[in-house]
Formats: sequence, C-alpha cells, structure tokens
Amino acid sequence: EVHLVDSGGGLVQPGRSLRLSCAASGFTFDDYAMHWVRQAPGKGLEWVSGISWNSGNIDYADSVKGRFTISRDNAKNFLYLQMNSLRAEDTALYYCAKEDRDSSGFYPYFQHWGQGTLVTVSS
Amino acid sequence: DIQMTQSPSSLSASVGDRVTITCRASQSISTYLNWYQQKPGKAPKLLIYAASSLQSGVPSRFSGSGSGTDFTLTISSLQSEDFATYYCQQNYRTVRTFGQGTKVEIK
Repeated sequence: EVHLVDSGGGLVQPGRSLRLSCAASGFTFDDYAMHWVRQAPGKGLEWVSGISWNSGNIDYADSVKGRFTISRDNAKNFLYLQMNSLRAEDTALYYCAKEDRDSSGFYPYFQHWGQGTLVTVSS
Repeated sequence: DIQMTQSPSSLSASVGDRVTITCRASQSISTYLNWYQQKPGKAPKLLIYAASSLQSGVPSRFSGSGSGTDFTLTISSLQSEDFATYYCQQNYRTVRTFGQGTKVEIK
C-alpha cells in the first residue's frame, strides 16, 4: 500500500527557512515523479513544485521560484522541499503527492497524497 | 503558465440533482485534465483523469468530458456524500495548475 508521510512544518518568522520532508513507502520510489501541492487556510489547491524520478526535470510555480528548492533522496525514499525567504503568503498546508500515469503512460495524475504538514509564517 | 478557471465558484443543490461544473483553460491542453474532490480536513481525491477516464472505485454518477480548452465534470444524481469542493487540474505543461475550486453545498 502506498504511504506518504509529510513532516517538517511549524511556525517560522518571515524571512526564515524551513525544510519539509515526505517519507514514501509501499512503492518503488525512484520510478515515480513527485510533487508538492499547498493549500492556504480556507483557500484552494496550489501546485508548488515537481521533480522527475531522477531529479533531471524540476519545475516550480512562479510564486516560489528562486526561494524554494525541491529535491529527493532515492536511496532513503524521501522527498524534500527547502523553503527559504518565507513570506506570510506561504502559510499553508503542504502536501506531497505521487505522480501516477494511465496505462498509456501519457496522462499523469495524483492518486496518492500525504496527510499534509502545516507551515505558518508569522512574526 | 496555463490558467484554469472554474465556474461556478459555488453552487447549492439538492440530493438527486444533476450538477455540472465547468473548467476552462487559458490555452489548449488537449485532454490533459484531471478532476479532484476534496472534503474538509482531507487530502484531495482523484475522480477523473485524462478528461473523461473514471478513476477505479469512483461511482459511475461522476463523469468528465471535453478537450482543448473547455471541460465539464457532471454528477448525474447528487448524493449526500458528494457535498465537497471540486478542482480541475491541467497536466499539459510540467508547471501544473489547479482551478480555483467549486464548492457544492446543500440547498
């Protein structure tokens, strides 16, 4: 069974840094792309970043580009999100998500999600 | 980046109603469109992928259609457990984007 456990959230002051982790189990981690998606309190879903299976392709939303860095450790089955220069608007519940694809391999989707870890940026 | 716009932002409906939610992309995304359902305090749940393919285990009252820029999620007969917020998501570009969500409430 696929299991994703998000951790590392907390209260942090504006301008400071935080690193989120996602522990993956129940599947061959290094076969799959992974993503971070966030949700501000009472707001909608926002895709944050994605990383290919071998870290060869990485993308970011414009809202976090230059401040956040996604990475993975395939030996340990962990996904990370290093968040620097945090702002109040980064306050959100952060989910990691596994990218699956349909049988053709062309169509990706997020079937498996972590439980989320809450990041609060406030002085 | 591709912008996704859902309408309406919210709707009120009764059990048994037919409900339609629309999602429009700012450029053509072929059928690289997914739909998710989210209930309060829970992670999103995949309903539809590739615009019209029903995820395993999802009731057949849910269906998706569309291609290019215009897409629709239809619930043929709304059940009590369907009251939730629904999101579309494009996967045409590697920078993925979600719609702003449609909240389905009890009338």
